[in-house]
Amino acid sequence: EAQVTQNPRYLITVTGKKLTVTCSQNMNHEYMSWYRQDPGLGLRQIYYSMNVEVTDKGDVPEGYKVSRKEKRNFPLILESPSPNQTSLYFCASSPRSLAGGSTDTQYFGPGTRLTVL
Amino acid sequence: GNSVTQMEGPVTLSEEAFLTINCTYTATGYPSLFWYVQYPGEGLQLLLKATKADDKGSNKGFEATYRKETTSFHLEKGSVQVSDSAVYFCALNDYGGSQGNLIFGKGTKLSVKP
Repeated sequence: EAQVTQNPRYLITVTGKKLTVTCSQNMNHEYMSWYRQDPGLGLRQIYYSMNVEVTDKGDVPEGYKVSRKEKRNFPLILESPSPNQTSLYFCASSPRSLAGGSTDTQYFGPGTRLTVL
Repeated sequence: GNSVTQMEGPVTLSEEAFLTINCTYTATGYPSLFWYVQYPGEGLQLLLKATKADDKGSNKGFEATYRKETTSFHLEKGSVQVSDSAVYFCALNDYGGSQGNLIFGKGTKLSVKP
């Protein structure tokens, strides 16, 4: 089954304790992205990756890191989480970047609900 | 920059009622437009899309027409069901932008009562 998986689905942690949220897709997609969803703000892009070893900042990258060493995986790293990073996080992938007018569908993972105390 | 504005919710309807969720956009070029739906506890999934002016996207009884003259992409359904209860997001692709990502509206929560 074609899918995007994320782990963990739920995480409660404390300020400053490094954590990683994993994301994996089995569709051989080039483009992967991380979003956070907050009430009243909708979805905002954190980081994206056009392909292996190619990553760039989205709209709200502060406090986050990513890596793309393999095509299928795109982990989100919070080196020193803070309470303002409490949010619902979604990983997404698409066959190609949406730049240049591509109409590729983005496929979303089920989400990771993170609480930072 | 490009942006999407959609009507604020929540929207509460009775089963079989007519649904309209308004969406307008600002874009410098000719974006593609999308509606995504998020069912409770799940990620977003594509509901429908339209790639050029006057295109109509449709799926599962939902429709939306790309209106360039009014920069709108309103979502409609003639008869909603309880199972349509979800959050609906209007989005456009950042056509011509270097990052090539979706720009989302803030979402509209729909609750359908039996």
